[in-house]
Amino acid sequence: GEDVEQSLFLSVREGDSSVINCTYTDSSSTYLYWYKQEPGAGLQLLTYIFSNMDMKQDQRLTVLLNKKDKHLSLRIADTQTGDSAIYFCAETPNTGGFKTIFGAGTRLFVKA
Amino acid sequence: NAGVTQTPKFQVLKTGQSMTLQCAQDMNHEYMSWYRQDPGMGLRLIHYSVGAGITDQGEVPNGYNVSRSTTEDFPLRLLSAAPSQTSVYFCASSRGGAGEDEQYFGPGTRLTVT
Repeated sequence: GEDVEQSLFLSVREGDSSVINCTYTDSSSTYLYWYKQEPGAGLQLLTYIFSNMDMKQDQRLTVLLNKKDKHLSLRIADTQTGDSAIYFCAETPNTGGFKTIFGAGTRLFVKA
Repeated sequence: NAGVTQTPKFQVLKTGQSMTLQCAQDMNHEYMSWYRQDPGMGLRLIHYSVGAGITDQGEVPNGYNVSRSTTEDFPLRLLSAAPSQTSVYFCASSRGGAGEDEQYFGPGTRLTVT
């Protein structure tokens, strides 16, 4: 079945790079997403990558997609305390209809 | 634009009570959806709507009803609350279906059923 898995916690020091990893099972997925959730708030789309791309860069964010291994990563350069949040990986299977599968989220702790 | 708004922010119910979680968006989005978020799990889709008058079930629809009489509003009804429905509920909207169209999420409603 469709599943998205990611580690639950990551701790980094301020200024270091953070890499959050995600694996997914549906090879037909057309879009893969990274959402950010700050405490007490809803999810906010950070970035997405289309399945025919290997990499996407947006300022401090770099998304890498390995379709062969069904592996998606989010790298945050120069991590700041304001980056502390939960990061959700999500995919849209190419099964038609309206469906986004979310991972359980990775809680990023940034130590000053 | 206010974006996606949800009320209430917090609610405590007793088992068997009913209530409606409100969701509204002012972006003229066709697609709206309800998710629940439980600890250690990703968001799970409860119900969704692709336009006024059209709703469909998501992954975990049991115990919930929805209606979409207007483009702006998409209320979620709990018919007879159960402790298993203790969760954080998020409403989301998007211009089109999942894909390049970003889903905008409301701030959430934290529901506790005792």
